[in-house]
Amino acid sequence: AQKITQTQPGMFVQEKEAVTLDCTYDTSDPSYGLFWYKQPSSGEMIFLIYQGSYDQQNATEGRYSLNFQKARKSANLVISASQLGDSAMYFCAMRRGTGANNLFFGTGTRLTVIP
Amino acid sequence: DVKVTQSSRYLVKRTGEKVFLECVQDMDHENMFWYRQDPGLGLRLIYFSYDVKMKEKGDIPEGYSVSREKKERFSLILESASTNQTSMYLCASSGQGEETEAFFGQGTRLTVV
Repeated sequence: AQKITQTQPGMFVQEKEAVTLDCTYDTSDPSYGLFWYKQPSSGEMIFLIYQGSYDQQNATEGRYSLNFQKARKSANLVISASQLGDSAMYFCAMRRGTGANNLFFGTGTRLTVIP
Repeated sequence: DVKVTQSSRYLVKRTGEKVFLECVQDMDHENMFWYRQDPGLGLRLIYFSYDVKMKEKGDIPEGYSVSREKKERFSLILESASTNQTSMYLCASSGQGEETEAFFGQGTRLTVV
């Protein structure tokens, strides 16, 4: 069975600093995908970044990067140069199986950026 | 601009009522999903569909059913609403391909009184 664990219910970071949001996963599938989403207070889910299990390099998208350590089954999100607009809930998710591509989500981390 | 649209942002229903939550996507996606979101529990999959008239149970299907008569529309049905179904409901769609992300609607906050 698949499992996603986000152990940090809440995190604080100073504006312009970097922050790492933790995500560990468990799966027996040899092929899987990992996603990070942002949910601001308005409620919409915004896709941030994707990492495939066979990707050799860590994914990066602007200020977001994914620290993928396959042997440790971790896929931590790193946000560099935090901005006030980064304050939101962040969810780690894993694509499970093939076909419908449905996602299994963690419980989320609420990030607060302090001015 | 790609869109997943949910019919209501806020909904208040009485216990025992039959409730329909509608979702429409304009991206010609094969896959559609219904999640519910509760504090501390993240998003949990209720049902999903990978083709018209096809549906699969997710992790928490009890008390819900779905309908997909057209590719762009996926409806979630609460046959007899109960107070423990008070929650935020999120619809999503995605195309094929392993890297394809899911696109979400704005959510429907349902309160059952």
